Amino acid sequence: QKEVEQNSGPLSVPEGAIASLNCTYSDRGSQSFFWYRQYSGKSPELIMSIYSNGDKEDGRFTAQLNKASQYVSLLIRDSQPSDSATYLCAVNSLQTDKLIFGTGTRLQVFP
Amino acid sequence: DTAVSQTPKYLVTQMGNDKSIKCEQNLGHDTMYWYKQDSKKFLKIMFSYNNKELIINETVPNRFSPKSPDKAHLNLHINSLELGDSAVYFCASSAGGTTNEKLFFGSGTQLSVL
Repeated sequence: QKEVEQNSGPLSVPEGAIASLNCTYSDRGSQSFFWYRQYSGKSPELIMSIYSNGDKEDGRFTAQLNKASQYVSLLIRDSQPSDSATYLCAVNSLQTDKLIFGTGTRLQVFP
Repeated sequence: DTAVSQTPKYLVTQMGNDKSIKCEQNLGHDTMYWYKQDSKKFLKIMFSYNNKELIINETVPNRFSPKSPDKAHLNLHINSLELGDSAVYFCASSAGGTTNEKLFFGSGTQLSVL
């Protein structure tokens, strides 16, 4: 089992819809969870971090964490074509004391 | 004004050559990293330095040698380049170095080994 798993996509949604991106992780002791956005040819940039169970909202973005299910998700409301990018889930591993990235989900928002 | 800057942006070279990538951060952060991103977008840590001290040294061939002359700089030297070294290399920094902190990435160096 990979340490951090994401569906590679592409996930295609129409403009204005809700995009739902999912991530599962293997280390039960993980405490910090991040979503990075990476545009093609650019570097990753942090858009959300979450540390406790439940939802965390920031503008059009909502991160959801369920530690019992080892699952973290990112919802993007009112998706825009400018949201088209690869979204990388990152989870800290207490076993290795490293930040582990998933391979990312490519999101395409079409007008 | 760039927070984390790395050079060069593109590096095209022949197998067997030696090359270096430079990285500088002006954020006052204590920890700097090198990540490698392969063609499938998998971002994997290679090294991390905290205040010039090596903290993480992943299972990376010893042809890769990081050097941190001060806490604002972390360079990566690669000897005897191989085809499999082709990837995008990202420098990053964080304030303290714990795994619950935000990473600030440089713009990346696309290395192509021919």
